[in-house]
Amino acid sequence: QKEVEQNSGPLSVPEGAIASLNCTYSDRGSQSFFWYRQYSGKSPELIMFIYSNGDKEDGRFTAQLNKASQYVSLLIRDSQPSDSATYLCAALSGNTGKLIFGQGTTLQVKP
Amino acid sequence: NAGVTQTPKFQVLKTGQSMTLQCAQDMNHNSMYWYRQDPGMGLRLIYYSASEGTTDKGEVPNGYNVSRLNKREFSLRLESAAPSQTSVYFCASSDTLGTEAFFGQGTRLTVV
Repeated sequence: QKEVEQNSGPLSVPEGAIASLNCTYSDRGSQSFFWYRQYSGKSPELIMFIYSNGDKEDGRFTAQLNKASQYVSLLIRDSQPSDSATYLCAALSGNTGKLIFGQGTTLQVKP
Repeated sequence: NAGVTQTPKFQVLKTGQSMTLQCAQDMNHNSMYWYRQDPGMGLRLIYYSASEGTTDKGEVPNGYNVSRLNKREFSLRLESAAPSQTSVYFCASSDTLGTEAFFGQGTRLTVV
């Protein structure tokens, strides 16, 4: 079992809808959490990070962290076809310094 | 602003050959990582270096070795390449506070 788990999808949403991406982690020593977007054939690019419980908003993106439940999520409001990509969740361990990724969730936004 | 630079971008090796993938970052990050990415597998951690002078195994270290040459550079070596090591390899670096982690452009390696 991976230390960071994501549903591989695909997750399909219509244009303009809210896309909800979820991630769970097993290492309670994890201190920071990242969401990356990766287009086919490209490098992952950082969308946002979160390290405190609660919500963090950046434009159309909101990251949510619940350390008690070991759960991280990413909400994408007003989804656009250009948001179609694979979204990777990652957890950084404060104890070991390891940065572990989930399998990634493929998002398809249909016009 | 280069960020994280990997070389080479593409490589074809014959089974049994060796090679070293190079990675350098100019963001003064303490931590550096090597990942491989295979279809449907996400990114799997091969080795990482939490600080200059230290290296540790990740999720899939077998068949690889690493060297943290200095704070900027972290290399990955395949001593005897196997077809199972055909993959896309990414180097990444992060700051100690855990507020940012950036990737290089990747190396597409094919072992025939």
